[in-house]
Amino acid sequence: QKEVEQNSGPLSVPEGAIASLNCTYSDRGSQSFFWYRQYSGKSPELIMFIYSNGDKEDGRFTAQLNKASQYVSLLIRDSQPSDSATYLCAVALNQFYFGTGTSLTVIP
Amino acid sequence: DVKVTQSSRYLVKRTGEKVFLECVQDMDHENMFWYRQDPGLGLRLIYFSYDVKMKEKGDIPEGYSVSREKKERFSLILESASTNQTSMYLCASTPRGSPGDYGYTFGSGTRLTVV
Repeated sequence: QKEVEQNSGPLSVPEGAIASLNCTYSDRGSQSFFWYRQYSGKSPELIMFIYSNGDKEDGRFTAQLNKASQYVSLLIRDSQPSDSATYLCAVALNQFYFGTGTSLTVIP
Repeated sequence: DVKVTQSSRYLVKRTGEKVFLECVQDMDHENMFWYRQDPGLGLRLIYFSYDVKMKEKGDIPEGYSVSREKKERFSLILESASTNQTSMYLCASTPRGSPGDYGYTFGSGTRLTVV
């Protein structure tokens, strides 16, 4: 069983809409959760992390964590074409475990 | 800004060659990591190091070795390159502590093609 599961997509949303990206994880001992954005041909860049149950907001991005249900999500409000990328979910145990990523396309 | 520099963006090597991928970070980070990234498989950990001269195997170390002679430099070595090692290779670093205390800072990546 994979440690981290993401829907590979592709997910398409119109410009200005809310994009919702989801991730589930298998190890209840996981304490730290990260979202990375990766543009095509580039390396991942950290956009958000969350440790506690609930929501964490940073600008247009909101990370949501539900440890009881073992999922973490990323909401992108007012989506822009520049948000088109692959979003990687990562869970930290003794090392990082990455999902395979969800491809997001924001349509102008 | 933390900078993690990988020496080459693109490399083409022949089967059987010994290949060196270099990674240098400039923020005095103790922890360094090598991943490969393949479509549908995501990022997989090859080797990591928590200190100079120290190395630990990750999930897929076969066919690879590493060297960390200086704190800022972590090298990945493909002993005898094979076509199934064609991939994007990513180096990352974090300060001392559990990886979950910090997010990774990734290098720009090296796309290696073995022909």
